[in-house]
Amino acid sequence: NAGVTQTPKFQVLKTGQSMTLQCAQDMNHEYMSWYRQDPGMGLRLIHYSVGAGITDQGEVPNGYNVSRSTTEDFPLRLLSAAPSQTSVYFCASTRGTNNEQFFGPGTRLTVL
Amino acid sequence: AQSVTQLDSQVPVFEEAPVELRCNYSSSVSVYLFWYVQYPNQGLQLLLKYLSGSTLVKGINGFEAEFNKSQTSFHLRKPSVHISDTAEYFCAVSQTIQGAQKLVFGQGTRLTINP
Repeated sequence: NAGVTQTPKFQVLKTGQSMTLQCAQDMNHEYMSWYRQDPGMGLRLIHYSVGAGITDQGEVPNGYNVSRSTTEDFPLRLLSAAPSQTSVYFCASTRGTNNEQFFGPGTRLTVL
Repeated sequence: AQSVTQLDSQVPVFEEAPVELRCNYSSSVSVYLFWYVQYPNQGLQLLLKYLSGSTLVKGINGFEAEFNKSQTSFHLRKPSVHISDTAEYFCAVSQTIQGAQKLVFGQGTRLTINP
């Protein structure tokens, strides 16, 4: 199993550009989530999904969209990038509730 | 609302010394507690978790943590650290809300091991 994979590893955007961060898992986990990691703030939940076709907002959803058309994939979209979205983004998946979350390697995004 | 406080942002220790990384949480209901480790330029991986049962939880790499309900703490300990333990450590509390697991993370503690 590859676990949780994320692409790209690094990305530089200009303010106003759009892009999609990809996340995929091959463990048949129903629960997937996106976090952003900023210095001194730990990880904060952006959006999550409890299964295909079901998504919901986390703590910091503004400026981000998600969709979940399949169990495996959970892309994160930035429609109009802003410098405040410069961060490291992690995707995670888990089976059931209150179990270990498996994290991807992260995407380091810089918005100029 | 749940919150997690890691009391130290940085902890420097010498190799083979003991270490304790402190974590306090606030919640009005039963919670599940986790410690994750992040090595440089990598994602997070689980060190250990407390769901129920014995309050002393043993994890990977010789780490252990003790759940103290009265003090709402979940401190992480290791009796003798190694250079390879240099990493950032995150405490997290989990609660199931409307069928979805919500993880709230602390700010992280950067553990630096000096030779």
